[in-house]
Amino acid sequence: DAGVIQSPRHEVTEMGQEVTLRCKPISGHNSLFWYRQTMMRGLELLIYFNNNVPIDDSGMPEDRFSAKMPNASFSTLKIQPSEPRDSAVYFCASSKFTPLGQKVTDVFFGPGTRLTVL
Amino acid sequence: AQKVTQAQTEISVVEKEDVTLDCVYETRDTTYYLFWYKQPPSGELVFLIRRNSFDEQNEISGRYSWNFQKSTSSFNFTITASQVVDSAVYFCALMDSNYQLIWGAGTKLIIKP
Repeated sequence: DAGVIQSPRHEVTEMGQEVTLRCKPISGHNSLFWYRQTMMRGLELLIYFNNNVPIDDSGMPEDRFSAKMPNASFSTLKIQPSEPRDSAVYFCASSKFTPLGQKVTDVFFGPGTRLTVL
Repeated sequence: AQKVTQAQTEISVVEKEDVTLDCVYETRDTTYYLFWYKQPPSGELVFLIRRNSFDEQNEISGRYSWNFQKSTSSFNFTITASQVVDSAVYFCALMDSNYQLIWGAGTKLIIKP
């Protein structure tokens, strides 16, 4: 089985440019998470989707960040315009859970996208 | 409040020693999940284990073992006969009733040859 797939693996851009990060979750998983990791703040949850619906986006820093999940196999995280403080590693993760039964499977992370904004 | 504490910021041992990484959690939920992840220098987050709150059985996987104690709200991780390849940052995490992962600060493990 393929794991969580993220692209690009590295992105270097200039301040003010639009950045789009992509994620393909594990097939059959119904939950998808976007995380950001920095030395200063550690791992931060940005947003999570369940069955393609955004459930909690309280971690999205500001309006410059937006995330979509048009179908069960694809999600994007967009930053427009990007700023140097957005430089971080962005992880996508997926899992499968059923809220009614409160059953959770393992949460697997993609390899991450290292974003550098100059 | 939901919280995960990994009090050990950094541990350094010599290869072949056993090492235990501590994890203490706080939650009001009766159903929750605990996770351990490994983050090697290459940066990926590698899933190691998930434990449900209603399953207190300890787990052993090769040189890795986990001790889940609800009475002390701890979920400690032991590496037996450590190897240089075990060098990494290890994260403990709690999944709460909102299905969000609450992370510990991580423990950096250094295994010296």
